[in-house]
Amino acid sequence: GAVVSQHPSRVICKSGTSVKIECRSLDFQATTMFWYRQFPKQSLMLMATSNEGSKATYEQGVEKDKFLINHASLTLSTLTVTSAHPEDSSFYICSARGQINQPQHFGDGTRLSIL
Amino acid sequence: DAKTTQPNSMESNEEEPVHLPCNHSTISGTDYIHWYRQLPSQGPEYVIHGLTSNVNNRMASLAIAEDRKSSTLILHRATLRDAAVYYCILRDISGGGSNYKLTFGKGTLLTVNP
Repeated sequence: GAVVSQHPSRVICKSGTSVKIECRSLDFQATTMFWYRQFPKQSLMLMATSNEGSKATYEQGVEKDKFLINHASLTLSTLTVTSAHPEDSSFYICSARGQINQPQHFGDGTRLSIL
Repeated sequence: DAKTTQPNSMESNEEEPVHLPCNHSTISGTDYIHWYRQLPSQGPEYVIHGLTSNVNNRMASLAIAEDRKSSTLILHRATLRDAAVYYCILRDISGGGSNYKLTFGKGTLLTVNP
């Protein structure tokens, strides 16, 4: 089946650090990529949607200057958490989809811990 | 987006069939029914999707009511590795816009007993 690779799987860093998370579709061209965040014992919350070569569309309440998304190719999207603080600690999950009628496939997530 | 209602939790025994229900009484004609599952500390995994007819794949079967207001995900023989949160999600692919994002609810936590 379709594979989405997300890296790194875990990050622990100091407050004020910027962290970049990569999401790659390994065996299909991802026309659209999605970034989710999941806090403990809660469901996934969509942060933003990006189409290759276009600016990302952010969900209400998500700061676009804090969560920078780049989707420069059909196989790679990156999420940069800028100047991360402890409240940004969470499980970040990317997802990719090819054609509109195809399922979304998810990465294994990145657990971000800000000290 | 049309909403879905699922039980918070269900329990099953290993090697027995599991029927996970989902109600979606406000479903529209262009809503596809998607099922995903999430194992602990992992991203969600696609299970199955359908529109009107029942669907089968190597992971599960999806039974869709004739009026489409409910559906059931069927795991034919539960294993311990099937313990996960199962999400039933409606996705509308009609009209304009190119994103058709998935919106996750709370899902059903399936426990499989050995």
